[in-house]
Amino acid sequence: QKEVEQDPGPLSVPEGAIVSLNCTYSNSAFQYFMWYRQYSRKGPELLMYTYSSGNKEDGRFTAQVDKSSKYISLFIRDSQPSDSATYLCAMTLRSNDYKLSFGAGTTVTVRA
Amino acid sequence: DVKVTQSSRYLVKRTGEKVFLECVQDMDHENMFWYRQDPGLGLRLIYFSYDVKMKEKGDIPEGYSVSREKKERFSLILESASTNQTSMYLCATGGGLQETQYFGPGTRLLVL
Repeated sequence: QKEVEQDPGPLSVPEGAIVSLNCTYSNSAFQYFMWYRQYSRKGPELLMYTYSSGNKEDGRFTAQVDKSSKYISLFIRDSQPSDSATYLCAMTLRSNDYKLSFGAGTTVTVRA
Repeated sequence: DVKVTQSSRYLVKRTGEKVFLECVQDMDHENMFWYRQDPGLGLRLIYFSYDVKMKEKGDIPEGYSVSREKKERFSLILESASTNQTSMYLCATGGGLQETQYFGPGTRLLVL
């Protein structure tokens, strides 16, 4: 069983729709959670991180963590074609920990 | 603006060849990482370095070695390339949450 499971998609939505992305994990010791965005032929870039259960908002993006269910989500509101990318979840045991465990990534296409 | 550059975007090599992938960063970061990214498997850590001449194995170090002679430069070496090393190789710098991991654009390596 993989430590971090992420549905690879692909996910195709019309412009303006809400995109919902999810990851589940098996190690209850994970404390810090991140979402990376990776455009085609580019390296991943950090989109959001959070360390507590609940919601964190940043513009059109909301990260949600449910530690009791070992489940994290990323929501993109009012999606734009520029949001078309692969989204990777990542998590780690401690702050300042070099070792990130990544999900496989979900490919999202937002249709104009 | 952080810049992480990788020596090649695309590389084609023959089985048994020695392959050098180079990564250079301009942010004076202590930590540097090499990952490989494969469909359905996400990012997997090969090696990382937390200081010049210091290195530690990641999750999949077999068949690889690394070199860090200068702080800004981290090289990944495939001693004898094999077809199962065909992959996307990503270099990253930074580490922890205070310093997010910054990724290079990646090198797509094809071993024939």
